[in-house]
Amino acid sequence: QKEVEQNSGPLSVPEGAIASLNCTYSDRVSQSFFWYRQYSGKSPELIMSIYSNGDKEDGRFTAQLNKASQYVSLLIRDSQPSDSATYLCAVNIRRRNSGGYQKVTFGTGTKLQVIP
Amino acid sequence: KAGVTQTPRYLIKTRGQQVTLSCSPISGHRSVSWYQQTPGQGLQFLFEYFSETQRNKGNFPGRFSGRQFSNSRSEMNVSTLELGDSALYLCASSLEGLDRGGEKLFFGSGTQLSVL
Repeated sequence: QKEVEQNSGPLSVPEGAIASLNCTYSDRVSQSFFWYRQYSGKSPELIMSIYSNGDKEDGRFTAQLNKASQYVSLLIRDSQPSDSATYLCAVNIRRRNSGGYQKVTFGTGTKLQVIP
Repeated sequence: KAGVTQTPRYLIKTRGQQVTLSCSPISGHRSVSWYQQTPGQGLQFLFEYFSETQRNKGNFPGRFSGRQFSNSRSEMNVSTLELGDSALYLCASSLEGLDRGGEKLFFGSGTQLSVL
């Protein structure tokens, strides 16, 4: 089982619709969750972080976390063509290595296409 | 404030050669993490350096190594290159490192390595 799993897509939505991106993770004790956006040919950039169960809203973006189900999602309201990108889910895996340190693990990303 | 700087932007090497990639983090950031990105595997964690010490390492062979200097700049070295090492290599900096669960990563533009 992969540590962080995402549907690779592509997910196609019409302009103005809500895009829903999903992510599951395997480490039950993970505490920090992030969504990064990566445009084609560019590097990832952080768009949302969430640490507690429930919803966190930032403009058109809403991150949702359900630790019991080990599930995190990103909703994009009023989707725009400029939102077309690959969205990477990242989880801070708290299970420590022999040296006692954590790591951030990324899913393979979901490609979103917003159709004008 | 300058972002994360990676050099070179592109590299073409042949099998068996070695390569060194460079990363300068955001001023004041002490942690540098390295990731390999390929279309099939997504972002794979290589290692993290904090205050000149490697704190965590991913599941890559010993041909992949790195170091961090006192000014937080980091280098990654790959020896005896293989065709499968062709990928985008990204470095990311953060203020206090991956061990602080809420830390956000700031990525450089990456080095695109092609092994022929």
